[in-house]
Amino acid sequence: SQTIHQWPATLVQPVGSPLSLECTVEGTSNPNLYWYRQAAGRGLQLLFYSVGIGQISSEVPQNLSASRPQDRQFILSSKKLLLSDSGFYLCAWSLSAGSLNYGYTFGSGTRLTVV
Amino acid sequence: GNSVTQMEGPVTLSEEAFLTINCTYTATGYPSLFWYVQYPGEGLQLLLKATKADDKGSNKGFEATYRKETTSFHLEKGSVQVSDSAVYFCALSSGAGSYQLTFGKGTKLSVIP
Repeated sequence: SQTIHQWPATLVQPVGSPLSLECTVEGTSNPNLYWYRQAAGRGLQLLFYSVGIGQISSEVPQNLSASRPQDRQFILSSKKLLLSDSGFYLCAWSLSAGSLNYGYTFGSGTRLTVV
Repeated sequence: GNSVTQMEGPVTLSEEAFLTINCTYTATGYPSLFWYVQYPGEGLQLLLKATKADDKGSNKGFEATYRKETTSFHLEKGSVQVSDSAVYFCALSSGAGSYQLTFGKGTKLSVIP
């Protein structure tokens, strides 16, 4: 069966520090991968998605970046965090385009607090 | 483009009350429709889905029927429990060629004993 792992679960970082959040998927090949952010009390904001290794699409211009160095690994990074980067970050995967009847599977999320 | 509109929350109900969370959509083609649930501090979980008109998705006592004529996918449960307290998201996919789900803004449900 497919599983998705996201870590760390919680993170407190000072303003201006770097960030690296990691997400890995097991039990499937060539998944579509997604990073979402959820600010407190608000909806989901799609940040990045990837349909293959090295292929990243950005939905919102900001100081975050994403990389996909391996088929089932998706990394969210920042060189210098801002206070406004605080939030709940969610990774998700789906089957490749054409199979979206299956929906997304989400990781358990990372609570990031920038202080 | 695609869009999903959910009723604004928060919704507060007493235990055993009837729940309806409204969801309407705008989409090209023939979308699949989903409800996701997010319990406090957790990621989203797929609650139920429907892939064509008049389909009824159901899970854990929740139901939603895909109504093409009214472009709606309302979530219902006959008797809510405290453990149903969560945020509920309606979403759609427009099928082949689309890489993304489009989510509504979420509706927070609180069930009090």
